[in-house]
Parts: sequence; C-alpha cells; structure tokens
Amino acid sequence: EDQVTQSPEALRLQEGESSSLNCSYTVSGLRGLFWYRQDPGKGPEFLFTLYSAGEEKEKERLKATLTKKESFLHITAPKPEDSATYLCAVHPGASGTYKYIFGTGTRLKVLA
Amino acid sequence: NAGVTQTPKFQVLKTGQSMTLQCAQDMNHEYMSWYRQDPGMGLRLIHYSVGAGITDQGEVPNGYNVSRSTTEDFPLRLLSAAPSQTSVYFCASRIHGGSNQPQHFGDGTRLSIL
Repeated sequence: EDQVTQSPEALRLQEGESSSLNCSYTVSGLRGLFWYRQDPGKGPEFLFTLYSAGEEKEKERLKATLTKKESFLHITAPKPEDSATYLCAVHPGASGTYKYIFGTGTRLKVLA
Repeated sequence: NAGVTQTPKFQVLKTGQSMTLQCAQDMNHEYMSWYRQDPGMGLRLIHYSVGAGITDQGEVPNGYNVSRSTTEDFPLRLLSAAPSQTSVYFCASRIHGGSNQPQHFGDGTRLSIL
C-alpha cells in the first residue's frame, strides 16, 4: 500500500537553530515527491519537486533532498516567518497517473 | 492572476442540507481535483477531472458529486450533508500533461455540518 509518513509531527526551534524534517515513503514507483508549505487558514503552497534519488533543490533557507526511501527538508538558520506546517506528497508511478499521497505534515514553530 | 479561487470560505449546514462548493482557476489547467483535510490525516482526494466532461473518483468519493462543464470550473456538490463531512475542503489544479508538475491549491472552504 502506498504510504507517506512525516516526522516529527511538531517541531519548535529557536531562531537560527537549523534542523531537518523527514518524509518517508512507500510507493510502487515514484513519479515525483513534492514539498508544500501551509500557513494557518491557507491552502498548501508549492515549494519543491524532486524526481530521483540524489536530487537536491534549494530555496532561500530551505533545501530538499531525496533518497529511494525518504526525503529531507533541511532548514538552515530559520526565522520566525518560516513557522508553518510543511507537507510532503508523493505521486506514485505504478498505481495511477492521477493519485497523490499526502503525509500529515510537520508543524514548525520558530521562536524569536 | 488569481490562481485557484474557492467560494465560500466558510459555511455551516444542517444535516441533510445540500450545497455546492465552488472552484475556479484561471491558469487554463486541464487537471483539477478536490481534497478534504481533517486533523491528524493527510489531504485525501475526493474527485478529480482531467478535462471538461471527464471526472473520476478519488480515495473518499462517497457523499460527493462533481461535474466539469468548462476548463475553468470544477464544483463539488454535497447532496445530503452529514456530520462526517465536516472538514476543510481544498481545490487544486495543475497542467494535465505534466504529471510531475505540482498542484496549485486554493485557500479552502471550511465546512461545518450540525
């Protein structure tokens, strides 16, 4: 069964304290892995797409990496404005073109 | 460029009432989808469409109907609301041919069924 698990559920960091969020996945083939940011009362906002193991993408203080079983979202020197819920989603290859499996997210709080 | 627009933002219904959640996008995306988001659960796909006149069921379709008469609009209908349908509903769209392309989400409709 296709499955996505994110950890930790919640994370509190001091401003400047770097850390990583994890997204473990079990899917039959992988067309793509997506990271989104979701602010309270808003819809998910796209951050990155990763397609193959070894791929990395960066945007400001965020860096996403991908292996065959998991992805990490590294946050370097976070600021309070990075506080949000970060969602991971996978697009399975073998089980249908139109299905996306979402994790339950990591709630990040960055304290000033 | 408005992106994906959902209306209403909030709605309270009584059990058994019907309503339509509206979703419109101005990006000429062929693929559109509806998700529900509940505490402790990931976004779950309700229905999706790959173009006007084409719809299909997702993971949790029971109690919901959809139709797609234009590229821009993809309404979600609750025929007889139940308390279990209390949730936040998100509409999303993406380019159809680009299955690896990200989905773009609206800001959601928060629905309470009493």
